[in-house]
Amino acid sequence: EPEVTQTPSHQVTQMGQEVILRCVPISNHLYFYWYRQILGQKVEFLVSFYNNEISEKSEIFDDQFSVERPDGSNFTLKIRSTKLEDSAMYFCASSAGFGGEQPQHFGDGTRLSIL
Amino acid sequence: SQQGEEDPQALSIQEGENATMNCSYKTSINNLQWYRQNSGRGLVHLILIRSNEREKHSGRLRVTLDTSKKSSSLLITASRAADTASYFCATADTGRRALTFGSGTRLQVQP
Repeated sequence: EPEVTQTPSHQVTQMGQEVILRCVPISNHLYFYWYRQILGQKVEFLVSFYNNEISEKSEIFDDQFSVERPDGSNFTLKIRSTKLEDSAMYFCASSAGFGGEQPQHFGDGTRLSIL
Repeated sequence: SQQGEEDPQALSIQEGENATMNCSYKTSINNLQWYRQNSGRGLVHLILIRSNEREKHSGRLRVTLDTSKKSSSLLITASRAADTASYFCATADTGRRALTFGSGTRLQVQP
């Protein structure tokens, strides 16, 4: 069964450094998402992406965050200047149809640790 | 309570027993979805129930939705040790692409 893959599985970064998290969504999916889960807390929506542009973002997704689909397969999340509070699991997801009406398929996540 | 609150927060049962988890939400939704998360892994979609549906089955899973009470329940019948995981409800609000997740129920199935 096709799956969403994320790399790296664990990223350790110094505060203030830039980090890029990578995702390969399911190949025929059109909608892409990033979520995060701080340890012990809820999964929180960050951003959705469709047709090469952001279609929706949350309050968490401020100017420090950006997303890109640099080629036909990868979908990346960049955090420009990391803060301690950015430490979390970051999940990429994709869906075949409009995200509110179709299941979303998640990767296993990248654990981001900011020192 | 907040959007997508599950109860109980934790549930421990014996293999073979049924497990019931409840979810409440506050907004107008297109659908409600249930996901499972094994420790250290991503979320796996289990079942989606649309706002005009009242009940849905998938294998050992049974989901109900009561839009008048803004609540849903997930029943896992004849539980197995492999069902041990956290279970989350997620709502797709009308007009939005994002999913809003609840805080989850940690299910422990004792062999």
